[in-house]
Amino acid sequence: DAGVTQSPTHLIKTRGQQVTLRCSPKSGHDTVSWYQQALGQGPQFIFQYYEEEERQRGNFPDRFSGHQFPNYSSELNVNALLLGDSALYLCASSSGGLAGRYEQYFGPGTRLTVT
Amino acid sequence: AQTVTQSQPEMSVQEAETVTLSCTYDTSESNYYLFWYKQPPSRQMILVIRQEAYKQQNATENRFSVNFQKAAKSFSLKISDSQLGDTAMYFCACTTSGTYKYIFGTGTRLKVLA
Repeated sequence: DAGVTQSPTHLIKTRGQQVTLRCSPKSGHDTVSWYQQALGQGPQFIFQYYEEEERQRGNFPDRFSGHQFPNYSSELNVNALLLGDSALYLCASSSGGLAGRYEQYFGPGTRLTVT
Repeated sequence: AQTVTQSQPEMSVQEAETVTLSCTYDTSESNYYLFWYKQPPSRQMILVIRQEAYKQQNATENRFSVNFQKAAKSFSLKISDSQLGDTAMYFCACTTSGTYKYIFGTGTRLKVLA
């Protein structure tokens, strides 16, 4: 049973560029959440997708956008990259119920470096 | 707004000893859930233990147990018989039944010494 997978593992981008990160949820899961983890910090919630809709968003600018596909996989897009966007981006999948009732499973993350 | 505070940036413990990691939280909700996650150097975060706020009994998972003090809004993690594989970042997290997001603390880096 494959767990949560993310691609790519690492990438390096230049300020002003755009980036797309990908996530495939654990088998049987229909909900995907994205988190940003800056170095030495805890993960910060970006948004969550369920039934192909963004159903909750954290305190992140509109430069951060996402998408969920019919097979429940998800993309995170970041436009106009800033140096401060350098971080580990984590994807977590779960079942569609309310938070806390179902365990979140995390992927290994994508390390984004903006130069 | 919810907050989660971990006041111990780093800790170390001798193999086979017991260590306790501290976490305090704040929420105005009455129905909430608390978690401890482990993030080893390989980065993949895994759930260690989970506590429903409405349950008075402290959660336990093998060598891991919590001390949930609801009135004090404290949620500490005790690791018994520490093993080298317990070396990792440990994050405390909180979520409530009315939201989908988890709030994480800043983490405690635990090193188990041989």
